Amino acid sequence: QSALTQPASVSGSPGQSITISCTGTSSDVGGYDYVSWYQHHPGKVPKLIIYDVSNRPSGVSNRFSGSKSGNTASLTISGLQAEDEADYYCTSYSTSVILSTLGLFGGGTKLTVL
Amino acid sequence: QLQLQESGPGLVNPSEILSLTCTVSGGSLSSSRSYGGWIRQPPGKGLEWIGSIHYSGITYYHPPLKSRVTISLDTSKNRFSLNLTSVTAADTAVYYCATHKRFTPNFDYWGQGTLVTVSS
Repeated sequence: QSALTQPASVSGSPGQSITISCTGTSSDVGGYDYVSWYQHHPGKVPKLIIYDVSNRPSGVSNRFSGSKSGNTASLTISGLQAEDEADYYCTSYSTSVILSTLGLFGGGTKLTVL
Repeated sequence: QLQLQESGPGLVNPSEILSLTCTVSGGSLSSSRSYGGWIRQPPGKGLEWIGSIHYSGITYYHPPLKSRVTISLDTSKNRFSLNLTSVTAADTAVYYCATHKRFTPNFDYWGQGTLVTVSS
């Protein structure tokens, strides 16, 4: 069981918008604006698409956006495209007593574009 | 723009040491004021941060692995290395090296990854 909770799968049709949630605690997601999201096509290298909750690295499409409310961060992909089909991982800095760590990852969400 | 490349054995015997090296080109951890980190992905599972080393040499490890992990830096050869001791089949994974500029999980440049299998 991963420390950050993500849905195992989400799906959407081309052109639609989807949102992937990432739930933690006040010691990680809720306590710091250090949530990042990665896109990972199987067999390829993970790609940073959102950092510090809502910032996009240079070159990342503005169809990707991030936000946070309380202990839950969210990744929204608008205008779904076939190439968006991939696994998505959230990660957060954590200072919990149980697990204080630089990078606490979620279990990943498989996005299927129908 | 930094390029990273992992190297090391693809097969390790149980109970032995897994050793990998990440060679940096197109710059250095020092010139980019970055950390070098290791992340792994077991087959069919998610990503796990293993640890990172600051260009100054200070290391940080993921607590569940801390007792078995050592990350070192060789500035003369522009590379950093991972040693993981007492490996078991659970350590079988694709191992990635990556860089990040702050002490946050923003891994910006990644190596291609290398599969390490623990088996006799």
